[in-house]
Amino acid sequence: DAKTTQPNSMESNEEEPVHLPCNHSTISGTDYIHWYRQLPSQGPEYVIHGLTSNVNNRMASLAIAEDRKSSTLILHRATLRDAAVYYCILRDVTGANSKLTFGKGITLSVRP
Amino acid sequence: GAVVSQHPSWVICKSGTSVKIECRSLDFQATTMFWYRQFPKQSLMLMATSNEGSKATYEQGVEKDKFLINHASLTLSTLTVTSAHPEDSSFYICSARPGMGRQDTQYFGPGTRLTVL
Repeated sequence: DAKTTQPNSMESNEEEPVHLPCNHSTISGTDYIHWYRQLPSQGPEYVIHGLTSNVNNRMASLAIAEDRKSSTLILHRATLRDAAVYYCILRDVTGANSKLTFGKGITLSVRP
Repeated sequence: GAVVSQHPSWVICKSGTSVKIECRSLDFQATTMFWYRQFPKQSLMLMATSNEGSKATYEQGVEKDKFLINHASLTLSTLTVTSAHPEDSSFYICSARPGMGRQDTQYFGPGTRLTVL
């Protein structure tokens, strides 16, 4: 799977929007961009994924650059419960057993 | 929907004993299940991938005779840590992928914390 690069950490204030960046300059045409988050002592939780177009769901929005070499996860109003490690992962879905390979992720802290 | 459970949530055992961890997909059938391991302050490391009814595929460096994986049905996979030692103490997390059109989303269990004394 192609590699992603994320900042180590980010801080935000409660009830403010948060933009979490991810660079993936070697992304291939069949790579989907996935975001998962992991709260302390829990398994990862699916957040959102996309291929080319921006995506919205109840948890977040995913903005994908036109050249697909970067993307941004947007939390519209951060809450204390959003404090977690967020992982940006590329996954090629053409393989029968394509897998999610986790990097270090970005640790989001939310200030009350 | 799309809930994955693990049992037990934590286990403490003596060195040399074997420990079995169960992973179940509660509301969907999982054609593929994955087992990850996570050490403190580190990211998840994939250990193996298993498809129902066939042998698991292990990642490089993971001993298949030590970490036995059985994907017996479309809703159950088990990981057995044989002859556990303190260095096997870790957070073990399973993941399941539904078949039939939802191939691109993986759902994770809550994890099992193993402590080997």
